Amino acid sequence: NAGVTQTPKFQVLKTGQSMTLQCAQDMNHNSMYWYRQDPGMGLRLIYYSASEGTTDKGEVPNGYNVSRLNKREFSLRLESAAPSQTSVYFCASSESGLGTEQYFGPGTRLTVT
Amino acid sequence: GQSLEQPSEVTAVEGAIVQINCTYQTSGFYGLSWYQQHDGGAPTFLSYNALDGLEETGRFSSFLSRSDSYGYLLLQELQMKDSASYFCAVRYDNTDKLIFGTGTRLQVFP
Repeated sequence: NAGVTQTPKFQVLKTGQSMTLQCAQDMNHNSMYWYRQDPGMGLRLIYYSASEGTTDKGEVPNGYNVSRLNKREFSLRLESAAPSQTSVYFCASSESGLGTEQYFGPGTRLTVT
Repeated sequence: GQSLEQPSEVTAVEGAIVQINCTYQTSGFYGLSWYQQHDGGAPTFLSYNALDGLEETGRFSSFLSRSDSYGYLLLQELQMKDSASYFCAVRYDNTDKLIFGTGTRLQVFP
């Protein structure tokens, strides 16, 4: 049982380049999330998807787009990367409506130079 | 707006008990969660409190007082492997979205 998987694990981009971070879960969860975590900080929600076909902004959505491709997959796109987007990105999933456990992927370490 | 406060660092020795406090100012509060994160790792869920009182899971317990906008995580019989960062997180607006605190780094010494 893989849980939540993310690709890639590491990425270096130049300012202005674009990329998509991929996330997939095999737990049949409806809710999926993208967070970023900066050094010494907590996680900040970028986008949230309550179900396939729906997305909702979180605390820090500017500069990002998301796509809930199907129930399993939730991708995060940076259209024009900026150094301020250097961070560790975590994808997570959970059962809906219970407010309980979110399961996190291993993270993607992104550096924008 | 939403804000959470927790101490930045706590130290303790093996076998001791430590309490990590979390106070929050949140509109539409629904519940308080705790997560553990080891250096370089992903957060893992520890507990969730929606109602006032104490929830116990093994060596870890979590407490919530909604009237005081306050909660804590209690770790007993500390082990070296408990050295990690601990985050409180508020669930709000009857969604599954969470606002995380900035974390408390726990160092356990032999």
